[in-house]
Amino acid sequence: DAGVTQSPTHLIKTRGQHVTLRCSPISGHKSVSWYQQVLGQGPQFIFQYYEKEERGRGNFPDRFSARQFPNYSSELNVNALLLGDSALYLCASSLMRQALNTEAFFGQGTRLTVV
Amino acid sequence: LAKTTQPISMDSYEGQEVNITCSHNNIATNDYITWYQQFPSQGPRFIIQGYKTKVTNEVASLFIPADRKSSTLSLPRVSLSDTAVYYCLVALEGGSYIPTFGRGTSLIVHP
Repeated sequence: DAGVTQSPTHLIKTRGQHVTLRCSPISGHKSVSWYQQVLGQGPQFIFQYYEKEERGRGNFPDRFSARQFPNYSSELNVNALLLGDSALYLCASSLMRQALNTEAFFGQGTRLTVV
Repeated sequence: LAKTTQPISMDSYEGQEVNITCSHNNIATNDYITWYQQFPSQGPRFIIQGYKTKVTNEVASLFIPADRKSSTLSLPRVSLSDTAVYYCLVALEGGSYIPTFGRGTSLIVHP
């Protein structure tokens, strides 16, 4: 079975541009979460989507947005890119909404570099 | 106030048992404690999860005292391939689902 897949794997953008990152969850998983991981730090929670609705949001500015499609895949959008947005963006899928007592499966991530 | 606190780094040798402790003083009553392993340029990988007492699976054990304010991940007989960053995770903050990884513990296993 395919795991969580993210695209693209690497991306270079210029300050002020917009970026869209994509994630396909494991088949049967209805929850998708997005994380930002800056070098040397742990992943920081951005959003969780379950059944196409936002169910959780971390402390990120409104430049960050996301959506989930009927097939449970998801997009993360970041507008007006800043140099500080350079990071590894991780997508995780799980069976349940809040995944308190279930395992979350992570993709390999998208490495975004803003120049 | 950080939700979780772990040692920044640890060193061990092949074949030894490694114990990594995480403090989570303000854990919510219904929250679980989850541990993940992460290799460079990869996403975190689930190791083990528990609510109280002791949980064991094929790769690790998790010890949680009665007050649940800390937990200890135990890796038996580590090998070089266990060199990675280990994170403990709690997910609830003020009743909201905001999973927080913290900075993790970098474990280096020496030959």
